[in-house]
Amino acid sequence: AQTVTQSQPEMSVQEAETVTLSCTYDTSESDYYLFWYKQPPSRQMILVIRQEAYKQQNATENRFSVNFQKAAKSFSLKISDSQLGDAAMYFCAYGPFSSNTGKLIFGQGTTLQVKP
Amino acid sequence: GAVVSQHPSRVICKSGTSVKIECRSLDFQATTMFWYRQFPKKSLMLMATSNEGSKATYEQGVEKDKFLINHASLTLSTLTVTSAHPEDSSFYICSARELLAGVSYEQYFGPGTRLTVT
Repeated sequence: AQTVTQSQPEMSVQEAETVTLSCTYDTSESDYYLFWYKQPPSRQMILVIRQEAYKQQNATENRFSVNFQKAAKSFSLKISDSQLGDAAMYFCAYGPFSSNTGKLIFGQGTTLQVKP
Repeated sequence: GAVVSQHPSRVICKSGTSVKIECRSLDFQATTMFWYRQFPKKSLMLMATSNEGSKATYEQGVEKDKFLINHASLTLSTLTVTSAHPEDSSFYICSARELLAGVSYEQYFGPGTRLTVT
């Protein structure tokens, strides 16, 4: 069974600085998707970034980028130039490449505090 | 982007009554919808997978007679909490999967419903 682990319950970063959130996962599949979701105080889940496992190039979305290490089963999120609005709970998630259910498996979450 | 709505956003009900939560995909057809429960500062716990026109698949430990799920159309799924008790108080989130070329890779989340049972 697939599992996702976020070992950092809480992180903090100074505004304008860079922070990296860690995520490891376990799977026997070769093709899959990995996601980072942001859940601000409003509790609306927002997709931050998506990575297809068959792509070697790390995904980037503006200030957000990932370090995808397939062999190590590691998928960390780097937030550059942190802003106050980045304060939220962040979830790493694993998704099947092709499946009848399409279930996502979430990590435990990391609460990010941004200090002004 | 794809939008998923939930109604109501907040509901308070008395112990022993039932409450229905609706999840709608507004601008796409969702063959599959998912229902999650989330406790404060915790991760999302998948309760069930809802497929249009068929019975929902419940995760282990989730009481199917207590949490009734109906996915009557490609844009609507409902979760009914029957005979609610205070321990059912929680934040419930739905998500919808848009099937693209037979491969799904993204879920769109609703804004959630906060249920309080008194």
